[in-house]
Amino acid sequence: GESVGLHLPTLSVQEGDNSIINCAYSNSASDYFIWYKQESGKGPQFIIDIRSNMDKRQGQRVTVLLNKTVKHLSLQIAATQPGDSAVYFCAESSNSGYALNFGKGTSLLVTP
Amino acid sequence: DGGITQSPKYLFRKEGQNVTLSCEQNLNHDAMYWYRQDPGQGLRLIYYSQIVNDFQKGDIAEGYSVSREKKESFPLTVTSAQKNPTAFYLCASSIKQGPQPQHFGDGTRLSIL
Repeated sequence: GESVGLHLPTLSVQEGDNSIINCAYSNSASDYFIWYKQESGKGPQFIIDIRSNMDKRQGQRVTVLLNKTVKHLSLQIAATQPGDSAVYFCAESSNSGYALNFGKGTSLLVTP
Repeated sequence: DGGITQSPKYLFRKEGQNVTLSCEQNLNHDAMYWYRQDPGQGLRLIYYSQIVNDFQKGDIAEGYSVSREKKESFPLTVTSAQKNPTAFYLCASSIKQGPQPQHFGDGTRLSIL
């Protein structure tokens, strides 16, 4: 079946560096993509989303890039801080879909 | 503050027992969802509801049941038929069903005694 996956299960970066978290999807009908941050023992927190009619969207310290040709999504975090340490999930959906389809997550560890 | 409240935070179930997890939202959202999360895994959809008095099975509905009698509330019952219920359960809501952000509660961790 269709799936959403992540290239790396863990990512360790130094404080102040930029982080890039990648996500591959396989459903060619996917037209909505979203990134969540989940801290230990808490629910996922919305970071940023993007629709398929865009290839880039920026938020505060975060940028999402969408490459529909190769079905790839990435989340860039600028000047990573210790508070950014968490698990990051990408998810996708389509207009005909009824819910979000989540990937397995990438653990980001920010070291001082 | 508007949000989603899940209770209890921790729940223990004995073998053969049904337990009900509470989810309440004051965001005036039409759609609500229940997900299950296992360690090191993504979220899997159990049930979802587009509107009051309507709900649909998700990908892993066996052993679970829900009701949606009020817009604000979407309780999940983990029945004795669910043989592996130990997991982190997350409730979410969105303005409407479909491709848009879902807002999550802080989850209920269910364990078997």
